[in-house]
Amino acid sequence: QVQLVESGGGVVQPGSSLRLSCAASGFTFSAYTIHWVRQAPGAGLEWVAFLSNDGGEIHYADSVEGRFAISRDSSDKTLHLQMNSLSPEDTAVYYCARSRGAGSHYFDFWGQGARVTVSS
Amino acid sequence: VMTQSPATLSVSPGERATLSCGASQSVGRSLAWYQQKPGQAPRLLIYLTSTRAAGIPARFSGSGSETEFTLTISSLQSEDVAVYYCQQYYAWPLTFGGGTKVEIK
Repeated sequence: QVQLVESGGGVVQPGSSLRLSCAASGFTFSAYTIHWVRQAPGAGLEWVAFLSNDGGEIHYADSVEGRFAISRDSSDKTLHLQMNSLSPEDTAVYYCARSRGAGSHYFDFWGQGARVTVSS
Repeated sequence: VMTQSPATLSVSPGERATLSCGASQSVGRSLAWYQQKPGQAPRLLIYLTSTRAAGIPARFSGSGSETEFTLTISSLQSEDVAVYYCQQYYAWPLTFGGGTKVEIK
């Protein structure tokens, strides 16, 4: 069955870095695109980042532009999110979510999320 | 910017629930709806304004276009208690509404 499994979350101090991973299985990885979406405690959903299948198109939310970097490893069907210069405002559950891509960037499947806490 | 109203909606079991989502500029029909229950990841309900996702009950329906959209739950069930989010995928950045919490009256 379709699975997206996030890993790499944890508690870090402000200014630190963290790398999240999303392992995909149960579907044809190349036929979909994967995004990162986050949800701060008690808040709504915020889209974070996108990387196209061929790596030629990348988009970030303004709130993370220049600090976060998304990458994709097609050989092991994994998506990564390198998060640098973390601040308390980055505290959230980070979900990876699947979309069909190419103008159909709605999310038909979500992982269970990785919790990131930025606190001194 | 996506704006949802009301913030909280209390509906009696079996009654209709109507949730609204507005866009600050046209998003065509590139609008999706999600349901999120406490402690769970969101679940896709509707995409392309009115197409139900796989396995979604027929009591959920979507309508609208351009800047005004509606999610209707025709007969509210206890398991529909959740927060509902709309999302536009017409343009970058992708954006979500702030959510509507649906409660049982």
